[in-house]
Amino acid sequence: DSGVTQTPKHLITATGQRVTLRCSPRSGDLSVYWYQQSLDQGLQFLIQYYNGEERAKGNILERFSAQQFPDLHSELNLSSLELGDSALYFCASSVGNSGSDEQFFGPGTRLTVL
Amino acid sequence: ILNVEQSPQSLHVQEGDSTNFTCSFPSSNFYALHWYRWETAKSPEALFVMTLNGDEKKKGRISATLNTKEGYSYLYIKGSQPEDSATYLCAFFGDSWGKFQFGAGTQVVVTP
Repeated sequence: DSGVTQTPKHLITATGQRVTLRCSPRSGDLSVYWYQQSLDQGLQFLIQYYNGEERAKGNILERFSAQQFPDLHSELNLSSLELGDSALYFCASSVGNSGSDEQFFGPGTRLTVL
Repeated sequence: ILNVEQSPQSLHVQEGDSTNFTCSFPSSNFYALHWYRWETAKSPEALFVMTLNGDEKKKGRISATLNTKEGYSYLYIKGSQPEDSATYLCAFFGDSWGKFQFGAGTQVVVTP
């Protein structure tokens, strides 16, 4: 158990809908990262927040957005869902904001878009 | 898109044998290289974070080396056990967050 929690574990929805994925980092960690794992792709970095502020963006679509709240939990919002958005979404956390900080991954949310 | 490649894509090892595999990455603008172990139905687990050329890290029977000048890292598993079966991912961090990419992984299957 990494100490990072994600809810829900599974989510099934329809095309065009909007969903919110939630992540709570390990106690003491200030950074949260979001990743997408699709069937035909490796682990893709989406976005990073550090202490409430967006710090880095990866391959995140404009239909997706995220935020980190004062209690440091984070939410990833996915809207106008398409079939291709079906994937495993991980969040990870780390103490700091450096590329050399060890990241701890949550159990993931499996999103299925029908 | 950064060129972070792992080879081989998969390998089968007999229990007790040792093995190694490679992560290659851009040799310029290096900041850090991470290794993760990812078991089926679980989430990636950090093994090592390597930042200095010539770094060698060890955790139990697993060790890693780093050559930033030529852009590669090796992961070694000594005396493989069935519980070592997993996908091993490397992740390259360049000198800015725009230069951050995971490799596709090496899937290791250890058979008794």
